[in-house]
Amino acid sequence: KQEVTQIPAALSVPEGENLVLNCSFTDSAIYNLQWFRQDPGKGLTSLLLIQSSQREQTSGRLNASLDKSSGRSTLYIAASQPGDSATYLCAVRLSYNTDKLIFGTGTRLQVFP
Amino acid sequence: NAGVTQTPKFRILKIGQSMTLQCTQDMNHNYMYWYRQDPGMGLKLIYYSVGAGITDKGEVPNGYNVSRSTTEDFPLRLELAAPSQTSVYFCASSYPGTGGAKSYNEQFFGPGTRLTVL
Repeated sequence: KQEVTQIPAALSVPEGENLVLNCSFTDSAIYNLQWFRQDPGKGLTSLLLIQSSQREQTSGRLNASLDKSSGRSTLYIAASQPGDSATYLCAVRLSYNTDKLIFGTGTRLQVFP
Repeated sequence: NAGVTQTPKFRILKIGQSMTLQCTQDMNHNYMYWYRQDPGMGLKLIYYSVGAGITDKGEVPNGYNVSRSTTEDFPLRLELAAPSQTSVYFCASSYPGTGGAKSYNEQFFGPGTRLTVL
């Protein structure tokens, strides 16, 4: 059974720091992996989606990498800002035949001025 | 496009009451999903649908029912509310198209319904 873990559960950093959020999954046979942002009391916003054949995806200050063989993905945030404060969730899609996602428990990030 | 909309935003139910959580999307997506998120946890899939008239169970379907009579709407029904169903409920949709790497199968989420059962 696929399990997705995110470490750390919470992170507090000063503004301007570069930081890395980690996502691990137990079964390397995934179809793709998606990173989401969740603001308090709000829904999820998709940040980056990496197909299993890709190594990384970039969007602005965000860079997500994927190492299927080791069951890991990282989300790199450059030059963090207070507006980046949110919970970050990763989710894996198991196969082409299913669109179901398995979510991690999230990392709650706080960036202070 | 309004995207994925959910109503109500908040609701308090008594044990044994029933209610329907509404979800509508205007993106012509085939796939729709219902998730629940308990405090400090990730999202768990309740039910999903790959098109009008087709639904299937997810990880945690017990105590819920769904229907999909149109492409746009995917309501979630709680028949006999229990305290264990206190959670935040999210609806999502996706289009299994052949777009670019970012858009392919990307799921779009509604703002959620916060439900408390007392």
